[in-house]
Amino acid sequence: GAGVSQSPRYKVAKRGQDVALRCDPISGHVSLFWYQQALGQGPEFLTYFQNEAQLDKSGLPSDRFFAERPEGSVSTLKIQRTQQEDSAVYLCASSLHTEGNQPQHFGDGTRLSIL
Amino acid sequence: AQTVTQSQPEMSVQEAETVTLSCTYDTSESDYYLFWYKQPPSRQMILVIRQEAYKQQNATENRFSVNFQKAAKSFSLKISDSQLGDAAMYFCAYDMDSNYQLIWGAGTKLIIKP
Repeated sequence: GAGVSQSPRYKVAKRGQDVALRCDPISGHVSLFWYQQALGQGPEFLTYFQNEAQLDKSGLPSDRFFAERPEGSVSTLKIQRTQQEDSAVYLCASSLHTEGNQPQHFGDGTRLSIL
Repeated sequence: AQTVTQSQPEMSVQEAETVTLSCTYDTSESDYYLFWYKQPPSRQMILVIRQEAYKQQNATENRFSVNFQKAAKSFSLKISDSQLGDAAMYFCAYDMDSNYQLIWGAGTKLIIKP
C-alpha cells in the first residue's frame, strides 16, 4: 500500500541498549512527525521535519533521543542508552505539507519494550 | 498553553444505537482545527473527522458527526448506527492554525455490544 510504514512493529531491548526506529512516509509528503504514546494515553509530540530540516525537536524528552531525515524521505528515531521509561508506542505521521493544515497520516507504530 | 480533555475513559453502546463522545479544549486562539481520530487495536491512527474553527457548520462524515460549540470550547463526536467495527480508542486532537503540532486528549475507549 501507499501508507506510512514503520519498522520494526515490535522491539524489545535491554536497558542501556541503543535502538533505531524507522519511518517511511507517504511518497511526496513534505512533513514528517514523531509521537510517543504511553500505554493508555494520547500521543505526545516529539519532533517535526519539513523535508530534511528538523524544524522542531522540543518534544524530545532527553538528549538520548535523536531523529534524522537526511534525504527528506525516510526518517529514523534513535534512542541511546534506553531506560524503562522509554517503553511506549512510537508513532510516525506524514502530511503533504503544513499549509492549510493538511491532515496527518499515521503508521502502525513501533511498540518498544525496555526490559 | 492549549489542552484537550476527554472526560470519558470508556463508553459502551449497543450495536445500531447512537453514542456521543465528549471533548473539551482550552485555547486563546481564534483560528484552529479540531480532529477526531480512531485507534483500533492495530494501533494505526485513522482520521475520522475534522472541523475548522472558522466554519460554523458542524462537520459530517457518513455516520459520524460533530457538535462544535466554539464559545463553550466543546467538540463532541456522535456516532450513529454503531457497528462492531467502530470499537476502538477515540482521540480528540487540536491543531492551531498553521501550526503542525497536534495536542491530544487522553482518549475514550468505545465498546460496542452486539
